[in-house]
Amino acid sequence: GENVEQHPSTLSVQEGDSAVIKCTYSDSASNYFPWYKQELGKGPQLIIDIRSNVGEKKDQRIAVTLNKTAKHFSLHITETQPEDSAVYFCAASEGNTPLVFGKGTRLSVIA
Amino acid sequence: NAGVTQTPKFRILKIGQSMTLQCTQDMNHNYMYWYRQDPGMGLKLIYYSVGAGITDKGEVPNGYNVSRSTTEDFPLRLELAAPSQTSVYFCASSYPQGAAAYSYNEQFFGPGTRLTVL
Repeated sequence: GENVEQHPSTLSVQEGDSAVIKCTYSDSASNYFPWYKQELGKGPQLIIDIRSNVGEKKDQRIAVTLNKTAKHFSLHITETQPEDSAVYFCAASEGNTPLVFGKGTRLSVIA
Repeated sequence: NAGVTQTPKFRILKIGQSMTLQCTQDMNHNYMYWYRQDPGMGLKLIYYSVGAGITDKGEVPNGYNVSRSTTEDFPLRLELAAPSQTSVYFCASSYPQGAAAYSYNEQFFGPGTRLTVL
């Protein structure tokens, strides 16, 4: 089955700097790669996703890149703000199968 | 739309007790899921359902049971609670999107139930 590895487990950045979180997956058949943000005491919320037919997707300060050959994908947050502080999860799935999640990255943005 | 709702928000159980975690969604999604989240361990799939009357095991199903009699509801039953079931439980729902070759499920999560077994 699919296995998703996520790094780093914790990340601290200064406000205004960029943050990068990386994930690798094992199943080459996976074709959907979402990223979720989880604030304290809340459920995960989808912030951006990418499918295997594109290599990059951007939404304001957030971007995701996908390298199918290397089986890895990354989340990039630019101009970080204190409200970006949260736990971020990557996930992968093939078609309509359930998502398999990474273990999460705790991002702290220091003002 | 309320989205995905879960009750209760918090619960403390004694070892050996049983309880049902409730999950309801009002988005007419046919797929529903139960995850548990342990500290530093991400989300692990317990059970999922692709429609009313259909359920399937996930990665960590032992100690749990589910049923899906309606599209809206997907309760999770804990029988004989054990300390190892102390966790935060999240319910999620989704519907298939995209063309067949690129079909995918965008999942929507509930707020979670924090369960402690003592």
